[in-house]
Amino acid sequence: SVLTQPPSASGTPGQRVTISCSGSSSNFGSNYVYWYQQLPGTAPKLLIYRNNQRPSGVPDRFSGSKSGTSASLAISGLRSEDETDYYCAAWDDSLSGWIFGGGTKLTVL
Amino acid sequence: QVQLQQSGPGLVKPSQTLSLTCAISGDSISSNSAAWNWIRQSPSRGLEWLGRTYYRSKWYNGYAVSVKSRVSINPDTSKNQFSLQLNSVTPEDTAVYYCARSADYLDYWGQGILVTVSS
Repeated sequence: SVLTQPPSASGTPGQRVTISCSGSSSNFGSNYVYWYQQLPGTAPKLLIYRNNQRPSGVPDRFSGSKSGTSASLAISGLRSEDETDYYCAAWDDSLSGWIFGGGTKLTVL
Repeated sequence: QVQLQQSGPGLVKPSQTLSLTCAISGDSISSNSAAWNWIRQSPSRGLEWLGRTYYRSKWYNGYAVSVKSRVSINPDTSKNQFSLQLNSVTPEDTAVYYCARSADYLDYWGQGILVTVSS
């Protein structure tokens, strides 16, 4: 994958966890970062847009940030239903297309 | 509310053509502010953008380098839908295929179709 994410992350209920995503100047350098949540057997669902904006209906426990060519997704007050896969995405100017991270599987212990 | 409904066969033989359709409701394929994308997902390749079609006074297409020689994405304005054709498929093209709208970002997705390439 063009964007680099850790394959796994974990936390206990109530904890705060962060998931990182690393890109390059051709994507993160000049474009926004997006985060998607994917439940088993379903399409990815938009979680964060334009680096740190939440669509309506997404709890404020989810937050995003970006600095240079790195971004992160933070989930506070971890819940069992947060246990699923998370993906970062961005438009890449060199490839002229959408690119994705390899995904991070979040486990709630 | 935008909805995307995908249709097409779930099994394709090697060397043949994979064809899928995505029907749009709640928006127009000819929108001047949206693009219509195909994305696939497999355990080996993860999420992979395949290409898009969009209208800005005329029709444009853009394709991923990995499939550019084999892929075609076409709008059908009479039915408000768009299609994906992927030629000369191999077992490596086995994946869940999604259509998605992008208006700045990929916001609405179809339900996904698992396409298996096997004889």
